[in-house]
Amino acid sequence: DAKTTQPTSMDCAEGRAANLPCNHSTISGNEYVYWYRQIHSQGPQYIIHGLKNNETNEMASLIITEDRKSSTLILPHATLRDTAVYYCIVRPNFGNEKLTFGTGTRLTIIP
Amino acid sequence: DAGVIQSPRHEVTEMGQEVTLRCKPISGHNSLFWYRQTMMRGLELLIYFNNNVPIDDSGMPEDRFSAKMPNASFSTLKIQPSEPRDSAVYFCASRRPQETQYFGPGTRLLVL
Repeated sequence: DAKTTQPTSMDCAEGRAANLPCNHSTISGNEYVYWYRQIHSQGPQYIIHGLKNNETNEMASLIITEDRKSSTLILPHATLRDTAVYYCIVRPNFGNEKLTFGTGTRLTIIP
Repeated sequence: DAGVIQSPRHEVTEMGQEVTLRCKPISGHNSLFWYRQTMMRGLELLIYFNNNVPIDDSGMPEDRFSAKMPNASFSTLKIQPSEPRDSAVYFCASRRPQETQYFGPGTRLLVL
C-alpha cells in the first residue's frame, strides 16, 4: 500500500471548517483514499473514501487533487466532538484486506 | 444493529497467565480482523479471517499469540503465557466484502 504523510497535529476553532491534508504521492491507479478517525478510548470510525472524484457524505467531504497525489478531508462545521486522531489510508478497494494505519493527525477543536 | 461486540472491556492479569479476548462480529459480515494498539507502535493488524478461515497472520507477534474463529459469529484471541509487553488495547473489526471495516470498542489489557 502507498505511504501517506499527515501533519502530526492541528487545531481548529469550533464552528469553523477543519481541513486535514494528506500526501500520498506514490498512490497507484487502483488505490482508494480512506479516512478514519479515532476518538479517545474508542475504536476507529470510518469517515469517507474516494478514488479520484470528490466525495461528500453526512460527516465530511473529501477533495482529491487531479494527480491524486494528495487529498484533503473537510469537516464543514467542526464541533468539540470532532476532536480525534484522523487517519488517511490508501489501499485497493478489493483484494488487499489490510488497513495500514499511520500516526495520523491529532485534531483538537478549540471552543 | 449492535455493532462489533468485544469482551471483556478491561482485563488485568499477572505475567504468565493465559488471556482470552472475545469478539462477536456484526451479523452478515464475513471478514474479521484483530488489531493491537500501543503508544509506541500505533494500530497494528495482527490477523484477519475471511469466512472463518485465517488469511494472513503475519502480524501475530509470536507463538504466544493464537486466534480462532470457530463460526461466523465468534472469534477469540489468546495469549499464553502473557507478558507485560502485551499490555495494549486490542480491537476487533468486521466487514462485508468490498465494504468498510467496523471496529469494536476494544479490550484494554494490562499485564502486571
